[in-house]
Amino acid sequence: GAVVSQHPSRVICKSGTSVKIECRSLDFQATTMFWYRQFPKQSLMLMATSNEGSKATYEQGVEKDKFLINHASLTLSTLTVTSAHPEDSSFYICSAALAGGGSKETQYFGPGTRLLVL
Amino acid sequence: DQQVKQNSPSLSVQEGRISILNCDYTNSMFDYFLWYKKYPAEGPTFLISISSIKDKNEDGRFTVFLNKSAKHLSLHIVPSQPGDSAVYFCAASFSGGYQKVTFGTGTKLQVIP
Repeated sequence: GAVVSQHPSRVICKSGTSVKIECRSLDFQATTMFWYRQFPKQSLMLMATSNEGSKATYEQGVEKDKFLINHASLTLSTLTVTSAHPEDSSFYICSAALAGGGSKETQYFGPGTRLLVL
Repeated sequence: DQQVKQNSPSLSVQEGRISILNCDYTNSMFDYFLWYKKYPAEGPTFLISISSIKDKNEDGRFTVFLNKSAKHLSLHIVPSQPGDSAVYFCAASFSGGYQKVTFGTGTKLQVIP
């Protein structure tokens, strides 16, 4: 089946530093990747939609200069949290959709990255 | 603004019995609904979906019911098995090609052997 990996799975950083999270589709090509954030006891909130080779589309309220998304290839998207602050501590999950359109059912999720900013 | 709500954060059910997970939504424009299952340290995996033109969709032990007038859907698992223990997310979307989905807060199901 389709596998999506994320790296790192867990990261602790100091306030003010930047953190990069990678999302890879291991056995399929993903035209579109999505980045979600989940706070404790809350739902997965879509942050942005990333299309290979073009700029990401951010959801309302998400700072594009703070959460930099790069989708340089059909198998890799990165999320960089710049100048991280404690309130950015959260669980970040990516998902990848099959190239060629696919469907909502063919959106595959990574295992998530737990970010803790001290 | 939470457009998709799962009011029960947790549910315990005896093995062999029926599990019923509920979900409510507020945006009447949603016309496509999905359920995902999530194990610890893994991403959500797609379970079952339903279009608003239907009121029921069945796949093996899993059945999703949709009540459009009440903006309510439910997932029935019968018989429940210990391996079903996981967090279940309800999600809503639009039936067009765009793949964006809006998730609920999740319900943690525990099936007791």
